[in-house]
Amino acid sequence: GENVEQHPSTLSVQEGDSAVIKCTYSDSASNYFPWYKQELGKGPQLIIDIRSNVGEKKDQRIAVTLNKTAKHFSLHITETQPEDSAVYFCAARPPTGKLIFGQGTTLQVKP
Amino acid sequence: EAGVAQSPRYKIIEKRQSVAFWCNPISGHATLYWYQQILGQGPKLLIQFQNNGVVDDSQLPKDRFSAERLKGVDSTLKIQPAKLEDSAVYLCASSLATGGTGELFFGEGSRLTVL
Repeated sequence: GENVEQHPSTLSVQEGDSAVIKCTYSDSASNYFPWYKQELGKGPQLIIDIRSNVGEKKDQRIAVTLNKTAKHFSLHITETQPEDSAVYFCAARPPTGKLIFGQGTTLQVKP
Repeated sequence: EAGVAQSPRYKIIEKRQSVAFWCNPISGHATLYWYQQILGQGPKLLIQFQNNGVVDDSQLPKDRFSAERLKGVDSTLKIQPAKLEDSAVYLCASSLATGGTGELFFGEGSRLTVL
């Protein structure tokens, strides 16, 4: 089955800097890659997703890139703000399988 | 639009006791999921319903966990008897799409502590 590895487990940046979180997946058939943000005491919330027919997707300060050959995908947050502080999860899903989450990255943005 | 509702938010029980969690998905969402999130880990799927039928329960410890979704709307997840390792947040999610596709909308979760 699918396995997703996420790095780093913690990330601390200064406000205004960029943050990058990377994930690798094992099942080459996976075709859907969402990113979720989880604030303390809340459930995960989808912030951006990408499908395997696209290499990059951007939404304001957030972008996701996908390298199908290497089975890597990454989340890029530019101009970070304190409210970006949260736990971020990547996930991957094969066409007929379930969504598999990475272990999470705790992002701290220092003012 | 109301989100996914879960209760209780917090529950503390002794090992070997039982507990039940309730979930009300977003209106009209056919697919409902229960995830277990252990501290410091990503959510792990326990069971997926489409309407009131089970799609995937391969990772549900069926000797102690059970779940039902009567009438294809609300769902309950029960643990009996609880073990220490069941301490986790139990997240319910729903999706408009069927077949495991589409965005998942999560509730705020039910935090279980087993002493």
